[in-house]
Amino acid sequence: EIVLTQSPATLSLSPGERATLSCRASQSINRYLAWYQQKPGQAPRLLIYDASNRAPGIPARFSASGSGTDFTLTISSLEPEDFAVYYCQHRSNWPLTFGGGTKVDLK
Amino acid sequence: QVQLQESGPGLVKSSGTLSLTCTVSGGSISSYYWSWIRQSPGKGLEWIGYVSSSGTTNYNPSLKSRVTMSVDTSKDQFSLKLSSVTTADTAVYYCARDLGGYSYGTMDSWGQGTLVTVSS
Repeated sequence: EIVLTQSPATLSLSPGERATLSCRASQSINRYLAWYQQKPGQAPRLLIYDASNRAPGIPARFSASGSGTDFTLTISSLEPEDFAVYYCQHRSNWPLTFGGGTKVDLK
Repeated sequence: QVQLQESGPGLVKSSGTLSLTCTVSGGSISSYYWSWIRQSPGKGLEWIGYVSSSGTTNYNPSLKSRVTMSVDTSKDQFSLKLSSVTTADTAVYYCARDLGGYSYGTMDSWGQGTLVTVSS
């Protein structure tokens, strides 16, 4: 199965700052990558699918890029509601797998 | 907007069978794939498998021998059974809708999750 490695594990930032999160796949997954946001006590929420497509209702401050094995999620200017855990997930083959997550917390 | 709601026992005895149902509202269960995902502190998010509205299934090989999924389109529900559970199966279980089509494998709507604890 494909292993997704996210870095850093924790990102400590202030509101208004730019957040850059990384996801690396153990083999090429083309552009078959999604990003999810999860807040405490809530289910994951789809942010990005197929590497760079924002899901409906997701603010433009969320953008993503990448292909092959290296992917990036960028939050251009952190809002208070963006402090959460972010997961990447591939759909290149079965089984689907998730990364271990990056926690964006308040500096 | 589609909504999903998991239901089922929150406590299961070791060696028993975990059974959960997900009820879909606000949208049709037809023409989509429906997934189960679980989350435990030790293993993070783990995709368990999916069942299509026509009953086709696909399971994670790591759980395949113990998993059964089914769908009841007349009730807009789909279900998960996990047999021979151990404490390692203690987790929050989510049901989710798979976008399907050209974006299969992407989960765009999730239930709130239900904690299932396996007691020894």
